[in-house]
Amino acid sequence: EDKVVQSPLSLVVHEGDTVTLNCSYEVTNFRSLLWYKQEKKAPTFLFMLTSSGIEKKSGRLSSILDKKELFSILNITATQTGDSAVYLCAVGRNNDMRFGAGTRLTVKP
Amino acid sequence: DARVTQTPRHKVTEMGQEVTMRCQPILGHNTVFWYRQTMMQGLELLAYFRNRAPLDDSGMPKDRFSAEMPDATLATLKIQPSEPRDSAVYFCASGLGRTNTGELFFGEGSRLTVL
Repeated sequence: EDKVVQSPLSLVVHEGDTVTLNCSYEVTNFRSLLWYKQEKKAPTFLFMLTSSGIEKKSGRLSSILDKKELFSILNITATQTGDSAVYLCAVGRNNDMRFGAGTRLTVKP
Repeated sequence: DARVTQTPRHKVTEMGQEVTMRCQPILGHNTVFWYRQTMMQGLELLAYFRNRAPLDDSGMPKDRFSAEMPDATLATLKIQPSEPRDSAVYFCASGLGRTNTGELFFGEGSRLTVL
């Protein structure tokens, strides 16, 4: 059965810390892996990854995909309280997009 | 500013009632997804349309749920009859592309409470 597994499920850090969020997957017909950030409302797009080993970067956030080991990581450096959210990993297949359960990140002042 | 629009934003109803949720995808997008989000299950895919044709609704309880796209500007998700376990936030998302590889744009969600 196809699955997308995120870890940890929740994480509490202090401002300035660096965090690494994990997403592993077992799916047929893999097309892409996407990261979303969800605060109070709708998920918003962060990154899309389709090739192994190529880091995507946006400010303090970066992400990389390993298609051989079937996982991706999302790194956040110098965390801020505004980074507190649920981070969702999604895998695009031929006909749909499946989400993991998410990692709830809390950044304390 | 282009966005996915969902109505209603909140709905409280009694068990057994029919519920219809509506979604207006971003103009020009050709893929539309319905997801349900609960604390226990996270985001679950219910149905997926490409160019208005239903491609996958295997995640949807067929006996009570139905999803349609009567035209390119409207997608609907209907629950009849509703049950308390249907209480969740229902998200519609749209995207652009021949294959499902790209970014999805989510609506604000419809929060459904079935008493």
